[in-house]
Amino acid sequence: KQEVTQIPAALSVPEGENLVLNCSFTDSAIYNLQWFRQDPGKGLTSLLLIQSSQREQTSGRLNASLDKSSGRSTLYIAASQPGDSATYLCAHNNAGNMLTFGGGTRLMVKP
Amino acid sequence: NAGVTQTPKFRILKIGQSMTLQCTQDMNHNYMYWYRQDPGMGLKLIYYSVGAGITDKGEVPNGYNVSRSTTEDFPLRLELAAPSQTSVYFCATDRGTDTQYFGPGTRLTVL
Repeated sequence: KQEVTQIPAALSVPEGENLVLNCSFTDSAIYNLQWFRQDPGKGLTSLLLIQSSQREQTSGRLNASLDKSSGRSTLYIAASQPGDSATYLCAHNNAGNMLTFGGGTRLMVKP
Repeated sequence: NAGVTQTPKFRILKIGQSMTLQCTQDMNHNYMYWYRQDPGMGLKLIYYSVGAGITDKGEVPNGYNVSRSTTEDFPLRLELAAPSQTSVYFCATDRGTDTQYFGPGTRLTVL
């Protein structure tokens, strides 16, 4: 059974710090890996999607990497801001477009 | 262009009652999904549909039913509500090959 794990479960950093969120998965048969942001009481917003043929994707201060051989993805946030405070979820897509989600990392960026 | 809309936003049910959670999308996507998210956890797939008239079970289908008579609508039915179905329910849609777009969610409590 596919499992997706996110470490740490919660993270608190001062504003301006660079940080890395980790996502690991057990199924190496991956079609793409998706990162989402979820604000309290809200739905999910897509941040980045990395196809299995890609190593990384960038959007503004966000950079996501994918290492299929080790079953890992990381989300790098540069120069964090209080507005980045949210829960970040990664999701593994096994080509049936059935996403398996990790438990999320709850990020707090303090001013 | 509303994207994905869900109704109701909140609902309290008594054990044994039934209800239908509504999901409508105006993105003309063929694929639609229902997820549940328990507190502090990631999302789990309940049911999905690859087009009108076609539905299939996800990871946690027990206690739920779906139908897909049109491209736009994908309602989720709870027949005999149980406390274990207390959760936040998200509907999502995509074109089958890329990122999923989520609705704002329905927060359901079963007492």
